[in-house]
Amino acid sequence: DTGVSQDPRHKITKRGQNVTFRCDPISEHNRLYWYRQTLGQGPEFLTYFQNEAQLEKSRLLSDRFSAERPKGSFSTLEIQRTEQGDSAMYLCASSFGLGASGNTIYFGEGSWLTVV
Amino acid sequence: AQKVTQAQTEISVVEKEDVTLDCVYETRDTTYYLFWYKQPPSGELVFLIRRNSFDEQNEISGRYSWNFQKSTSSFNFTITASQVVDSAVYFCALSEYVGANSKLTFGKGITLSVRP
Repeated sequence: DTGVSQDPRHKITKRGQNVTFRCDPISEHNRLYWYRQTLGQGPEFLTYFQNEAQLEKSRLLSDRFSAERPKGSFSTLEIQRTEQGDSAMYLCASSFGLGASGNTIYFGEGSWLTVV
Repeated sequence: AQKVTQAQTEISVVEKEDVTLDCVYETRDTTYYLFWYKQPPSGELVFLIRRNSFDEQNEISGRYSWNFQKSTSSFNFTITASQVVDSAVYFCALSEYVGANSKLTFGKGITLSVRP
């Protein structure tokens, strides 16, 4: 039983370049989340998918950010024209939930982004 | 709006000491979930516990115990007989109960160092 996996684990990029992160959730989890965490802070919610539908986006998710989950399984988070302020760890998480009840969210190891 | 406050930023103890990590939350919801996650240096957020707001029974799991007090909006976490492997950043988090999203609001985390 594998957990949430993320790739790459570390990425160093020059300002202005595009980067893409991939997340493979726990098998059969229908909900997938992206969070961002900067040094000394707790994770902050970015966006949420239920199956392939993106149901909520945080105001933190600027127009340069786009997330997809095309077949309701893995997800990608792309950042276009990266800025130094994008440097952070991007955490993916997944859960299984039906209806309106809350559920436990399991996190991956994160993808560290450094923009130089 | 939901808010989680972890007033302690860093705690250092000697192995075998007991240590309590404090968490205070704010929410207008009458039902909600509270969580604790552990983040070791590898970066992955490890789920420790989820508690419903209508279940105020304290919980013990091995060396870990949690004290939920709705009257003071607190959900404190105690590690008994701490070990070096307990060294990590610990996050308290809050989510709404009914919303299908169940996104988490995190505190800033407490860095626990356990010295041999």
